[in-house]
Amino acid sequence: GENVEQHPSTLSVQEGDSAVIKCTYSDSASNYFPWYKQELGKRPQLIIDIRSNVGEKKDQRIAVTLNKTAKHFSLHITETQPEDSAVYFCAAKETNDYKLSFGAGTTVTVRA
Amino acid sequence: DSGVTQTPKHLITATGQRVTLRCSPRSGDLSVYWYQQSLDQGLQFLIQYYNGEERAKGNILERFSAQQFPDLHSELNLSSLELGDSALYFCASSTGSQYEQYFGPGTRLTVT
Repeated sequence: GENVEQHPSTLSVQEGDSAVIKCTYSDSASNYFPWYKQELGKRPQLIIDIRSNVGEKKDQRIAVTLNKTAKHFSLHITETQPEDSAVYFCAAKETNDYKLSFGAGTTVTVRA
Repeated sequence: DSGVTQTPKHLITATGQRVTLRCSPRSGDLSVYWYQQSLDQGLQFLIQYYNGEERAKGNILERFSAQQFPDLHSELNLSSLELGDSALYFCASSTGSQYEQYFGPGTRLTVT
């Protein structure tokens, strides 16, 4: 099955700086890579996703990049704000599977 | 609000008991996924149903079972509960043909 590793486990940034979270996956057949944001006690919320046929996708201050050759993908948050503080999870979906395999999560703290 | 609903919000029960968690997917979604999130843990996939049929199984214990009804709502049954079953249980739904999964608010289960 798919194995997703996520780094770092915690990330503290100054407000206005950028944050980068990296994930690697094991199965080269994986074709869908979503990112979820989870605030304390709340549900995971889909914030951006990317499919294996594109290398980069942006949505306002967040962007995701995918390197299929190296089997890794990253989340970039620019101009961080206090409301960006949360746990972020990456995930990967295999082509012939229906479930998502999640990384262990990154706790992001934005310092005012 | 994702459109996925879960009840109850909180559940406190004793070891050895049995509980049922309920999930209603977004309107039009045929797939339902169940995930377990223990304290300081990531999201562990339990099981997926698509239009009433089991589609994929993850690390689901034999004491746990699920089903999806004709109206597409799903129930997760947890029996012979142990202290270690205390966790947040999330349901997510998707159309089945698209990859995006949207999570419900979760049920927090506490086993005492």
